[in-house]
Amino acid sequence: SQTIHQWPATLVQPVGSPLSLECTVEGTSNPNLYWYRQAAGRGLQLLFYSVGIGQISSEVPQNLSASRPQDRQFILSSKKLLLSDSGFYLCAWSRDAWGYTFGSGTRLTVV
Amino acid sequence: AQKVTQAQTEISVVEKEDVTLDCVYETRDTTYYLFWYKQPPSGELVFLIRRNSFDEQNEISGRYSWNFQKSTSSFNFTITASQVVDSAVYFCALSEAKYSGYSTLTFGKGTMLLVSP
Repeated sequence: SQTIHQWPATLVQPVGSPLSLECTVEGTSNPNLYWYRQAAGRGLQLLFYSVGIGQISSEVPQNLSASRPQDRQFILSSKKLLLSDSGFYLCAWSRDAWGYTFGSGTRLTVV
Repeated sequence: AQKVTQAQTEISVVEKEDVTLDCVYETRDTTYYLFWYKQPPSGELVFLIRRNSFDEQNEISGRYSWNFQKSTSSFNFTITASQVVDSAVYFCALSEAKYSGYSTLTFGKGTMLLVSP
């Protein structure tokens, strides 16, 4: 069966520090991969999606970047975190428009 | 562009009351999918239901029911006899297949449901 792993679960980082969040999928190949962010008290916003290795599309301009070095690995990064980067980050994968599977999320607090 | 509107930011009810969460969507596609997710305080998204645009049949699952009406572009969610454990944020979402195998899921802003004893 397919599973999705996301870590860490929580993270507290100082302003200006780098960030790396990792997401991996097991049990499937060539998945579509997504990063969503939920700011405090707000909805889920799509940040990045990827349809294949090295293929990244950004939905909104921001201080973050994404990479897909392997088929089932999706990484969210920042060189210098801002306070506004705080939020709840969710990774997801899908095969088509019919079904999406979400990770358990990373709660990032930038201090 | 696709859009999902959940006009109710927060709803408070007393246990055993019925409550309806509204969802209105916009899309230019004829083929699309609608979803409801529950987000408890832990943050994980719990999948509740999905519907494709060709299936307007309403669905009931225990205390949960969903009313899909293409004529009004709505996909409302009703909880009958609410319980404290129903307290959570509920998201409605829309997915369009942009091309073979690829799609994105657009969420509404969510409705926070508070059920008090």
